[in-house]
Parts: sequence; C-alpha cells; structure tokens
Amino acid sequence: DGGITQSPKYLFRKEGQNVTLSCEQNLNHDAMYWYRQDPGQGLRLIYYSQIVNDFQKGDIAEGYSVSREKKESFPLTVTSAQKNPTAFYLCASSIWVGEQFFGPGTRLTVL
Amino acid sequence: AQTVTQSQPEMSVQEAETVTLSCTYDTSESNYYLFWYKQPPSRQMILVIRQEAYKQQNATENRFSVNFQKAAKSFSLKISDSQLGDTAMYFCAFMKQGGSNYKLTFGKGTLLTVNP
Repeated sequence: DGGITQSPKYLFRKEGQNVTLSCEQNLNHDAMYWYRQDPGQGLRLIYYSQIVNDFQKGDIAEGYSVSREKKESFPLTVTSAQKNPTAFYLCASSIWVGEQFFGPGTRLTVL
Repeated sequence: AQTVTQSQPEMSVQEAETVTLSCTYDTSESNYYLFWYKQPPSRQMILVIRQEAYKQQNATENRFSVNFQKAAKSFSLKISDSQLGDTAMYFCAFMKQGGSNYKLTFGKGTLLTVNP
C-alpha cells in the first residue's frame, strides 16, 4: 500500500539533545512538508521541500533542520536550540498543488 | 500573508442531525484552493473536501458540502446526517494557486463532537 510512514510514534528527549524524526513516502511525490501541532493551534509549517536536495524554511524553522537526499525521505532534526520542542509533528507530501497527504505523526516529549 | 479563522473552538451535534462549521480567510490572491481536513482521535489528518476558488459551484462529497462565498471570503462546511465517526477536529486550510510553493495555511480548528 502506498502511503507515508513516520517513526517513531512516540519520542522522548532529554534537554540539550538533538533528535531526528523520520518521514518516508512511497507515493512518488515530489514535495514534502513538516508541520508542528500544539494544543489549541492549527498546524504550522516548519520546513518544506519541492525537490531532492532543495528545501525552504517555513513559518517556524528556528531550532529545526532537515535534509532531502532522496525523493522518498525527508527527516526532521529537532536541535537543542529549539526551546519548546514538545509537540505533535506531522509530515506530509503532495504531487501537485492541491491535496497534501499526511503521515500518522510523531509525539515528541522533552523530559 | 494569508490568515484563516475558525471562530468556533468546539461544537456538538446529535447523531443524524446537520451541523455547519465556519471558516473565514483573508487574502489578496485571486486564485487559490480551500480545504477542510478532519483529524479524528487517532490524529491522522484526512482530507474531507476541496474547493477551487475559480469554481462557482460548491463542492460536495457525500454527506459533506461547502458553502463558498468568495466575495465574503467565507468557506463553511456542512455535515449532513452526522455520524459518531464524524467526531474529530476539523481544520480549514488555504493554499495559494501558482507561485513557488504549495504551502497550506491552517485555521486553529473546530472540535466537533457527535452525540448518540
């Protein structure tokens, strides 16, 4: 089945640590996105990539980094510079302007 | 910059009844797309319905329909014959047509509870 997978489902981080969230898609989509969701908030865009080896900052990129070495993969690293990283993180992909397909999400908690 | 406003943080409806969720947006763009996404307790985001701004006809998908008022910048979602499985957070979203990216701007969501 085609789709988007995110791992892990739950992730715990100690303060000062970097952690990487995985996002993989087998939909052959060119564009991929990372969103952050906080209680009472909509989704906010962290980074997006429209093509391999290229990506752009979204609205809240500070404290995050990404890479896009393969079309299928778009990992997100939450660095120690991110002051409030506890949130639900959603990855999405799209083939054209229109519908974005979302993964199941990763819940990150800072201990 | 675009903004999307959902003025109803929470709503409830009885099973089999009809409910309407509100969404307004602000943009200077002429060509764009509007979406309603559903996020059930599993937290999986699911596309409910899509509307192209150049189309005058309101989109419908089974029990889901929209009332798109371009001049008023309003995009409400009507759910008919509500079912327990419709209980979810609903997000309205905006996407500019054309340009260099396919960025979605989301509202803060409306939590809909369908009661038996």
